[in-house]
Amino acid sequence: GAGVSQTPSNKVTEKGKYVELRCDPISGHTALYWYRQSLGQGPEFLIYFQGTGAADDSGLPNDRFFAVRPEGSVSTLKIQRTERGDSAVYLCASSLRAGRRTDTQYFGPGTRLTVL
Amino acid sequence: GNSVTQMEGPVTLSEEAFLTINCTYTATGYPSLFWYVQYPGEGLQLLLKATKADDKGSNKGFEATYRKETTSFHLEKGSVQVSDSAVYFCALSVNDYKLSFGAGTTVTVRA
Repeated sequence: GAGVSQTPSNKVTEKGKYVELRCDPISGHTALYWYRQSLGQGPEFLIYFQGTGAADDSGLPNDRFFAVRPEGSVSTLKIQRTERGDSAVYLCASSLRAGRRTDTQYFGPGTRLTVL
Repeated sequence: GNSVTQMEGPVTLSEEAFLTINCTYTATGYPSLFWYVQYPGEGLQLLLKATKADDKGSNKGFEATYRKETTSFHLEKGSVQVSDSAVYFCALSVNDYKLSFGAGTTVTVRA
């Protein structure tokens, strides 16, 4: 079946602009995660949704970052007033449920964000 | 806090060589441990996992054993192929949703 998809695959923007990154999880997966991967580093957790609500947003770096999942499926990560330090690959993952050691997180291909 | 330290790369090997990538962790609770792999041009995918001490995860000829006494989860493969060239990430989760990753180890296998 279809995996996790993310759009766009690449996004180039100018400092100060607003961007939206979209994630389509695997159908039927109730848990959705966002991570950020900077060059040469492993992914870092940003936020996790169980259904429509953000169950843990402790990884969001500041209030310029916000994510929504209004219908419990597609999620959008929103970044306001982008800064050059926001440049990274933004990864989305989904799992059947959360809080279960047997459930695997499946990752999308990522969106590469470049802030000029 | 929770953190993962893995062997720095890059690692370059010849085909059929033995591969070991060291991974140690620090965790506030009782973690599950994972190895993820990222092949060139592809997304992260789970390679193997172990959820309790002394469990061995295995997949595609790779193995890793959860060693609580040494807080380690080293990845091994007895005979690598060119197709194993990838970036390998060790990761842990203590709350079963937030993954904490190491920095990754780039492995290149020469024919």
